Amino acid sequence: KNQVEQSPQSLIILEGKNCTLQCNYTVSPFSNLRWYKQDTGRGPVSLTIMTFSENTKSNGRYTATLDADTKQSSLHITASQLSDSASYICVVSDSGTYKYIFGTGTRLKVLA
Amino acid sequence: GAGVSQSPSNKVTEKGKDVELRCDPISGHTALYWYRQSLGQGLEFLIYFQGNSAPDKSGLPSDRFSAERTGGSVSTLTIQRTQQEDSAVYLCASSLTATGYGYTFGSGTRLTVV
Repeated sequence: KNQVEQSPQSLIILEGKNCTLQCNYTVSPFSNLRWYKQDTGRGPVSLTIMTFSENTKSNGRYTATLDADTKQSSLHITASQLSDSASYICVVSDSGTYKYIFGTGTRLKVLA
Repeated sequence: GAGVSQSPSNKVTEKGKDVELRCDPISGHTALYWYRQSLGQGLEFLIYFQGNSAPDKSGLPSDRFSAERTGGSVSTLTIQRTQQEDSAVYLCASSLTATGYGYTFGSGTRLTVV
């Protein structure tokens, strides 16, 4: 069964600190992996999209890594800000189909 | 439009009533998806429209749920005889192609069944 698992479920950090969120998947065949940020009450907003041939992709203070061999991805947030408080969702796409498999997300809280 | 627009943003309804949720995708996007996000849960696929093809309804939880997409643009998700367990955020997404290029979510409709 295709699955996407994220860890930790929730995380609290102080403003200015760095953090790393994990995503492990079993989806096969694999097309691409996306990280989304979802603010409370809003729809998810795309942060990064990576194909199987990409190892790392940055978007400002967000850096995603992908190891297609071990089927692991991480999202690293540098110098966190209060506005980073949100849910971060990992989504993996099945190759050649429209099926997207969603993780349940990591809820990040950044404290002043 | 510039993004995926959903309406209403919030809906409170009495148990047993029917509700309609609307999604206006990005102009030109051929693929449209409906998802449901219950409190503390991940996104649950409901239904997928692609161009003029028959929709994939495999995610609809019961026959109380239906959706249509008129003219290949606006879509309506209808829930009949709502139940309390239908309370969730209903998200719509669209993409330019079936492979997901330009995949964008709307802000969702928060449905509360009382």
